[in-house]
Amino acid sequence: AQKITQTQPGMFVQEKEAVTLDCTYDTSDPSYGLFWYKQPSSGEMIFLIYQGSYDQQNATEGRYSLNFQKARKSANLVISASQLGDSAMYFCAMREDDMRFGAGTRLTVKP
Amino acid sequence: KAGVTQTPRYLIKTRGQQVTLSCSPISGHRSVSWYQQTPGQGLQFLFEYFSETQRNKGNFPGRFSGRQFSNSRSEMNVSTLELGDSALYLCASSRDTTDTQYFGPGTRLTVL
Repeated sequence: AQKITQTQPGMFVQEKEAVTLDCTYDTSDPSYGLFWYKQPSSGEMIFLIYQGSYDQQNATEGRYSLNFQKARKSANLVISASQLGDSAMYFCAMREDDMRFGAGTRLTVKP
Repeated sequence: KAGVTQTPRYLIKTRGQQVTLSCSPISGHRSVSWYQQTPGQGLQFLFEYFSETQRNKGNFPGRFSGRQFSNSRSEMNVSTLELGDSALYLCASSRDTTDTQYFGPGTRLTVL
């Protein structure tokens, strides 16, 4: 069965600094996709970044990058130059046969 | 291109009633998935539909059901509502069953 683990229930970061949100996963399938979503207090899930299991390069999307370490089964999200608007819940997810989510990390950006 | 839309946005029901939630996917998307989000259980997968067929179903009782129409719009139904069904119900669409899912704003269901 799929399992996604986010070990940081909450994180604080100073505005303009970088922050890493941890995610580990467990699967025996060689083909899978890894995703990060942001959920502000409004509730809508916003797609941030995707990494395929066969991708050789780490994915990047603007200020977001995914530190993919396949052998360790980890897919950490790095947010550079944090902004106040980055304060939200962040979910790691893996899509194998279906999509499963981790418990999330609440990020608070301090001015 | 319009995003995923869900109706209604808010709903209040009483125990024992049933409810139907609707989801319209992004144009061209053929896969629709439903999730239940609660503070205690987090985000839980309900089911996924692709081309009007249910592909996968999460670990939920038979009171939870869904369907998808030929235009890819999807509905989910919860019968005999229980207090524990109070949650945010999120719908997500994707082009196919492996592509990135894009979420709607959700329907917040309160069961009294």
